[in-house]
Amino acid sequence: GNSVTQMEGPVTLSEEAFLTINCTYTATGYPSLFWYVQYPGEGLQLLLKATKADDKGSNKGFEATYRKETTSFHLEKGSVQVSDSAVYFCALLTGGGTSYGKLTFGQGTILTVHP
Amino acid sequence: NAGVTQTPKFRVLKTGQSMTLLCAQDMNHEYMYWYRQDPGMGLRLIHYSVGEGTTAKGEVPDGYNVSRLKKQNFLLGLESAAPSQTSVYFCASSYSPPPANTEAFFGQGTRLTVV
Repeated sequence: GNSVTQMEGPVTLSEEAFLTINCTYTATGYPSLFWYVQYPGEGLQLLLKATKADDKGSNKGFEATYRKETTSFHLEKGSVQVSDSAVYFCALLTGGGTSYGKLTFGQGTILTVHP
Repeated sequence: NAGVTQTPKFRVLKTGQSMTLLCAQDMNHEYMYWYRQDPGMGLRLIHYSVGEGTTAKGEVPDGYNVSRLKKQNFLLGLESAAPSQTSVYFCASSYSPPPANTEAFFGQGTRLTVV
């Protein structure tokens, strides 16, 4: 079945530091890949996505590149802000078989950014 | 814009009691999902629906039932609550899965405690 593995957290950074959150996946077929963000007390919001190999998703200074050869979709940001403190979820969606329509999530990575 | 609305937002149940969580979306989405979020485990799919009148089991369906009598509503029922069902429950909806791969929109969550 499909699965998503994220790096263990929590991650604590100082403002303006570089961020990487690793995400690798296992899936049948050709999944679409997503990063969702959850701010304290809120639901999940889509941060960025990529639908095919070598696509780069980007939003709000965050980027992630769909690497089929390494089955990865690592999230990066060059300079984090305190307002980026949240929980980040990597997710995938496939189009075939018994997994049709199911969005599969990683376990989430807590990011805390200090001034 | 209402988006995805969950009711109630908080609830405390005694073991053995029953309750229904309501999810309503006003975006005319075909696909709706119920997830539970537990610390260190990310979001796990309980049940989902690919259209009015249809439901399907996700990863952790035991102890839950669902119904999708109207396209805009997706109900999650607990017939006999257990402490293991203490969690935060999220509803989500999307216009379509692959190949369109449209974004899933999430509700604010329901925090359920079973004592």
